[in-house]
Parts: sequence; C-alpha cells; structure tokens
Amino acid sequence: DTGVSQDPRHKITKRGQNVTFRCDPISEHNRLYWYRQTLGQGPEFLTYFQNEAQLEKSRLLSDRFSAERPKGSFSTLEIQRTEQGDSAMYLCASSFGGWNMNTEAFFGQGTRLTVV
Amino acid sequence: QKEVEQNSGPLSVPEGAIASLNCTYSDRGSQSFFWYRQYSGKSPELIMSIYSNGDKEDGRFTAQLNKASQYVSLLIRDSQPSDSATYLCAVTASGYSTLTFGKGTMLLVSP
Repeated sequence: DTGVSQDPRHKITKRGQNVTFRCDPISEHNRLYWYRQTLGQGPEFLTYFQNEAQLEKSRLLSDRFSAERPKGSFSTLEIQRTEQGDSAMYLCASSFGGWNMNTEAFFGQGTRLTVV
Repeated sequence: QKEVEQNSGPLSVPEGAIASLNCTYSDRGSQSFFWYRQYSGKSPELIMSIYSNGDKEDGRFTAQLNKASQYVSLLIRDSQPSDSATYLCAVTASGYSTLTFGKGTMLLVSP
C-alpha cells in the first residue's frame, strides 16, 4: 500500500456537467475525509466518513455535492451541475481514528478540477 | 465559527537562519495542533504535531504551544532553500472529528 490514492489527478469540465472523483484510502484506515482547497487558501473541510457512515458534512457542501463510501473502503465525491466556483483542488485524507495524538492522517495528491 | 489565523507572508529568510511561523486559533476547546508543509501544486504533508503546552522538537523543527494564549508556532532552524513552501497550521475541533486549517504562510529561503 503506497498511501492515499486519488483519481483523476486533473479534470477539466464544462460548466453544468457532472464530475466524480475517487479516493482510495490506506487500507487499514477507517476514517476518510474530503477537503477542498482554492488558490491562496488552506484546505476547507467538506465531509468525513467513519467506515461507511458519513458522520459530518460542512455547510460548504451544497446539494450539488454528494459523497459515498459504500463498503467502507474507497470513496467517491460527485459534483452535479458544476459551476466555475467549484474549480479547486479536492483533497482526500485518511486515518485510523480521528486527528489526535494516537494517529496520523495522510493526504492524497488531490484532484485538480477546472470548470470552464 | 472556528478560525485559525496565520500571516500569509511571504516570510523571507536567508539560508541557515531560523524561520519562525505563527498561528492563533479561536476555539478554546481545541486539543490537537498540526503543522503541514505544502509545496506549490502538491498536497499537504504533515511535519509536526503537538498536543500539550510547551515545546516539541523533531530535527530542525520545533513546535511551540500555548493554550492559554491560543497560540502555536513552528521554528525551523538552519533553514534550507528546500524548506521554501507554504506552511499550514491546523487545529482539531473539540471531539477530534475535523481539522480546521489556516490559510498558510509562505516561506522563502534564499541561498
């Protein structure tokens, strides 16, 4: 296992199209997080899963966004009817447990979305 | 609204100097504190974590935490040009469920 894997690395889409991103966490990690990062900003929390359960969603996550982790392994993030404001780097991270002294979370390389 | 504040920089230091990066946070219930390094176009990489007041050293890096002042800092000794990156301060909300990031401080180390 070489770490958190995200696919695709880059995506260019036309406004109004739907896009789906995939994240494969480190295999033994039960927590999976999605973050979004725009230029000059820090990553912003979107949602997280513990196993297959989606436990928290940010108010940043509009109705056009949906995330799943059907078997507690990989996760997908779908954006429907994309808007130019959705252009960002979408980051996935995984950990065993939460962000505390007993664990370390690792980020994938991200998916850079450009909406034209 | 939980906030993490950092000076956006850039912070410019000569090679071999000490770089000092600072961060303040608003949530008094925050428990865990992290420093990530992010090179342009890459994902964040964890370099330090700290959980209790005081200093924690790891090689050239020292993290300092003062919960009473809601302040966390990162010192980089003997700065190298390869340290040039954006440094993100991140803080857990109470309950450990999410991580809140600052906007990051850009560090430039000149040869």
